[in-house]
Amino acid sequence: GAGVSQSPSNKVTEKGKDVELRCDPISGHTALYWYRQSLGQGLEFLIYFQGNSAPDKSGLPSDRFSAERTGGSVSTLTIQRTQQEDSAVYLCASSLVPNYGYTFGSGTRLTVV
Amino acid sequence: GESVGLHLPTLSVQEGDNSIINCAYSNSASDYFIWYKQESGKGPQFIIDIRSNMDKRQGQRVTVLLNKTVKHLSLQIAATQPGDSAVYFCAENMGNTGNQFYFGTGTSLTVIP
Repeated sequence: GAGVSQSPSNKVTEKGKDVELRCDPISGHTALYWYRQSLGQGLEFLIYFQGNSAPDKSGLPSDRFSAERTGGSVSTLTIQRTQQEDSAVYLCASSLVPNYGYTFGSGTRLTVV
Repeated sequence: GESVGLHLPTLSVQEGDNSIINCAYSNSASDYFIWYKQESGKGPQFIIDIRSNMDKRQGQRVTVLLNKTVKHLSLQIAATQPGDSAVYFCAENMGNTGNQFYFGTGTSLTVIP
């Protein structure tokens, strides 16, 4: 597609459940990033994929968070045993050149109740 | 101005006036900076970027100024329009040594018609 696509756009889940968030980057973009944005806060880096290299997972807040990128394209961010503090907007971005201007998706708003 | 961890600053301007949004970045090793605009319910949108070998860069109605001595970045918007109302983030990157951008908490700009 023309832009970065994320699904679902909104997700409400019960505390303790697992959730999967999906990101379709721009075709041909080798770099893919996940960020988290809490209410009134800036963006918090979570994880970075670049081609076939091992991902940079340094931003994942706990071992309940994991992500994968299949075939160098679609990425899935999984949060296990969700907690209320996981409530945030999860943003995915991709870029043609690493660390150059990203294109962001519209995000998935996750609410844990 | 803005800095990571502070409450979201706000700026209100009259339509047609010029706006100046400030940002204090944190790392003297950062060599690439981007301003993003985020409208409600959308992901951040790239506005303009600047590398550390420059002091000023102009786009359409926007100018970014970089002062490395005091680690300060500003975004100037000329003839501000209602469509410019959004939250504006600065982001810094350490180029080849960094896999992520560090974002400030943002400044909320409201344009009064």
